[in-house]
Amino acid sequence: EDKVVQSPLSLVVHEGDTVTLNCSYEVTNFRSLLWYKQEKKAPTFLFMLTSSGIEKKSGRLSSILDKKELFSILNITATQTGDSAVYLCAVETNSGYALNFGKGTSLLVTP
Amino acid sequence: NAGVMQNPRHLVRRRGQEARLRCSPMKGHSHVYWYRQLPEEGLKFMVYLQKENIIDESGMPKERFSAEFPKEGPSILRIQQVVRGDSAAYFCASSPYGDITEAFFGQGTRLTVV
Repeated sequence: EDKVVQSPLSLVVHEGDTVTLNCSYEVTNFRSLLWYKQEKKAPTFLFMLTSSGIEKKSGRLSSILDKKELFSILNITATQTGDSAVYLCAVETNSGYALNFGKGTSLLVTP
Repeated sequence: NAGVMQNPRHLVRRRGQEARLRCSPMKGHSHVYWYRQLPEEGLKFMVYLQKENIIDESGMPKERFSAEFPKEGPSILRIQQVVRGDSAAYFCASSPYGDITEAFFGQGTRLTVV
C-alpha cells in the first residue's frame, strides 16, 4: 500500500526561525511530489518536484527531492506569523489524478 | 475567474439523513476530483469525474456514496443515510485537463453528523 509520512506532525517556532519539514514516501510508480499550504481552507499549491537534487525556490520557501532515499524537505527561512498553516505533502503516481497525501505538518509561528 | 466553489461550507446532518455537497469547478475546467479529510488523517482520494462520466471511483465507499458531474451545473457528492463516521471535510478540486497536478482545490465542505 502506498504510504506518505510527514514529520514532525506539529511544530512551534518563533518569528525569524528557519524550519525544515520532512516528507518520506513509499509508492509504486512515482511521478511527482507536491507541497501544499493549507490555512483552514483550500490547500494552495507550493511546489511540484519530479527530479532529484534540483531545488525549487519561491521567496523564503524552498524544497528539494531525493528519489534515491525517497524523501523531500520543505524549508522556510525567516519565518513570519503568516507562515502558520498546515503543510501537506502529496505524491502523484502513474494514475495522474489520485494524489496520496501525508497527514500534514501543523506549523505555528509565534511573534 | 472565480476559484473552485464549494457549498455549503458547513453542513450538519442527523444520522440517517442525506447530505448533498456541491462543487462548481473553475471556468474552463471539465475535470473534477473529490477528496475526503477525516479528523487527524490526510486527504484521501474518492472519485475523479469528467463531464457526465465517472472515470475512477475506486476511493468511494461501496455503499451510500455517489457522485455525478452533469453536463450543466455543479458536481454533486451525495451521501445517503449518513453515519457519525462520515463527519469529515470534503474537498473538491478541478483542472482543465486530467492532470491533478494542475488542479485547484476548493475551500471544502465540513460535514458534521450528529
